Amino acid sequence: GDSVTQMEGPVTLSEEAFLTINCTYTATGYPSLFWYVQYPGEGLQLLLKATKADDKGSNKGFEATYRKETTSFHLEKGSVQVSDSAVYFCALRGDAGGTSYGKLTFGQGTILTVHP
Amino acid sequence: DAGVIQSPRHEVTEMGQEVTLRCKPISGHNSLFWYRQTMMRGLELLIYFNNNVPIDDSGMPEDRFSAKMPNASFSTLKIQPSEPRDSAVYFCASSFRRVQGRGYTFGSGTRLTVV
Repeated sequence: GDSVTQMEGPVTLSEEAFLTINCTYTATGYPSLFWYVQYPGEGLQLLLKATKADDKGSNKGFEATYRKETTSFHLEKGSVQVSDSAVYFCALRGDAGGTSYGKLTFGQGTILTVHP
Repeated sequence: DAGVIQSPRHEVTEMGQEVTLRCKPISGHNSLFWYRQTMMRGLELLIYFNNNVPIDDSGMPEDRFSAKMPNASFSTLKIQPSEPRDSAVYFCASSFRRVQGRGYTFGSGTRLTVV
């Protein structure tokens, strides 16, 4: 079945540091890929997405590129802020040809803490 | 758009009591999902509905858990009887099923504490 593996955390960075959170996936066909962010005490919010190979999703300075050859969707940001401290989830949604169509499969989440 | 609305935000109950969590999805969305989040197990899909019909309930931990979706605008997750190990944050999410590339919209969650 579909699966998502994220880099284990927690990740602790200083403000303005470069961020990478690795994400790899296993799925059949052409899934859509997502990054969600969860701030303390809140639900998950969609951060960015990509629906086909080589697509780059971006939002709020975060970027991730859909790499089908390496089955990866790594999250990056050039300069993190204290306000980026949150839990980040990588997820995939199976394509229309698969039995898991419509269902999001999440990674285990990566806790990011940014210090001033 | 008010988003996905969950109630209550917090629930504290005694072991053995019945607990009912409620969710109102975004109008027009035809898929609804219930998730449970704990530190130990992360985010777990409990059950999901398409067009009000339960499609996959394999994540429901045991018979004490049940979920219903009587119409397109309302769903409940019931735990009876509740146990301390059910303490978690329960999220509801909704989506358009047939739109490839759409993510989910999550509610703010219900934090359940069973003492």
